Amino acid sequence: DQQVKQNSPSLSVQEGRISILNCDYTNSMFDYFLWYKKYPAEGPTFLISISSIKDKNEDGRFTVFLNKSAKHLSLHIVPSQPGDSAVYFCAANALSSGSQGNLIFGKGTKLSVKP
Amino acid sequence: EPEVTQTPSHQVTQMGQEVILRCVPISNHLYFYWYRQILGQKVEFLVSFYNNEISEKSEIFDDQFSVERPDGSNFTLKIRSTKLEDSAMYFCASSENRETNEKLFFGSGTQLSVL
Repeated sequence: DQQVKQNSPSLSVQEGRISILNCDYTNSMFDYFLWYKKYPAEGPTFLISISSIKDKNEDGRFTVFLNKSAKHLSLHIVPSQPGDSAVYFCAANALSSGSQGNLIFGKGTKLSVKP
Repeated sequence: EPEVTQTPSHQVTQMGQEVILRCVPISNHLYFYWYRQILGQKVEFLVSFYNNEISEKSEIFDDQFSVERPDGSNFTLKIRSTKLEDSAMYFCASSENRETNEKLFFGSGTQLSVL
């Protein structure tokens, strides 16, 4: 039962280029989406989020796009830097249903940014 | 920057034994969570805790699991009789309030190995 899917387990990008990480979801009740970054031996770190009432949210080099009709979101990192190399998790939440921090995570995409 | 602290970083136990995983959430946070990640799988929600009681729990969080906030600083996860399939990385997280629950701050995790 994969409500949140990240179909690419890994992605390799050249430094300075754009990284695009994709995520699909199946549950129509999800109304809040988040991206977390995880380095080895550390816990996930919040990166950026988007509410279902928006289709885009930007924070510096990071932009998240949401396509509700396609149940698809993506994270764009421009320009990519070697320090961005990490595992990126997409997560979703059904805030309006009263969810208390029950984030549904995807399996993650390992991003490698090569100098 | 304040952080969530988890101890121990690695716990090895025999099947059937009880284990207690410890966490010190960020001091002014009110919501506390446990997640886990089995090797190669996604991060999964276990339980959320607010005002000294469980707010929400997943199907994984059966009668073998319990949580407690024994004092003003610690938040613990107890597994009463461990099974091999409980082997996973367990993450504690906290957030300031529900409305900003995307700001879940995760600890570095406790790697539980059940032999």
